Amino acid sequence: KQEVTQIPAALSVPEGENLVLNCSFTDSAIYNLQWFRQDPGKGLTSLLLIQSSQREQTSGRLNASLDKSSGRSTLYIAASQPGDSATYLCAVITNNAGNMLTFGGGTRLMVKP
Amino acid sequence: DGGITQSPKYLFRKEGQNVTLSCEQNLNHDAMYWYRQDPGQGLRLIYYSQIVNDFQKGDIAEGYSVSREKKESFPLTVTSAQKNPTAFYLCASSPLGHWSVYEQYFGPGTRLTVT
Repeated sequence: KQEVTQIPAALSVPEGENLVLNCSFTDSAIYNLQWFRQDPGKGLTSLLLIQSSQREQTSGRLNASLDKSSGRSTLYIAASQPGDSATYLCAVITNNAGNMLTFGGGTRLMVKP
Repeated sequence: DGGITQSPKYLFRKEGQNVTLSCEQNLNHDAMYWYRQDPGQGLRLIYYSQIVNDFQKGDIAEGYSVSREKKESFPLTVTSAQKNPTAFYLCASSPLGHWSVYEQYFGPGTRLTVT
């Protein structure tokens, strides 16, 4: 059964720092990987989707990479801002699991002014 | 505006009562999903539906029921058989197709508190 782990569980950084959030998964036979942002008490906003054949995706200050063979993805946030403070979740769709997303526990990010 | 709406935002119920959470989408998506989120944890799939009048159990379906009578609506009933119903419930939808392409889009969630 697919398991997704995110490290660290929480992260606090000063404004302006570049930072990396990590996501690992146990079954490398995935269709795609999504990174989401969740603000407190809110739903999820999709940030980036990487298909299994892709190595990375970029959107503004965000860059997500995927190394399927090693079961790892990273989300790179450049020049962090207080508005980036949120919980970041990664999720995968595994080949033998239909359209079911398996989520990691999330990384709670705090960017201090 | 296209999107997913969930109502109500907050719901309070007494133990032993069934409660139904609403989810509506106007994105013309075929697939819809219900997830549960507990504090500090990721999401777990309760039920999903790929077509009207059909749905499948997810990882934690016990104590829940759903219906899909219309493409745009996928209500979730939390029954009295659910042992720990207090949680944040999220509804999502996606187009049908090859899973490598399509993203899931999420509603704003309903926070259910059972006392």
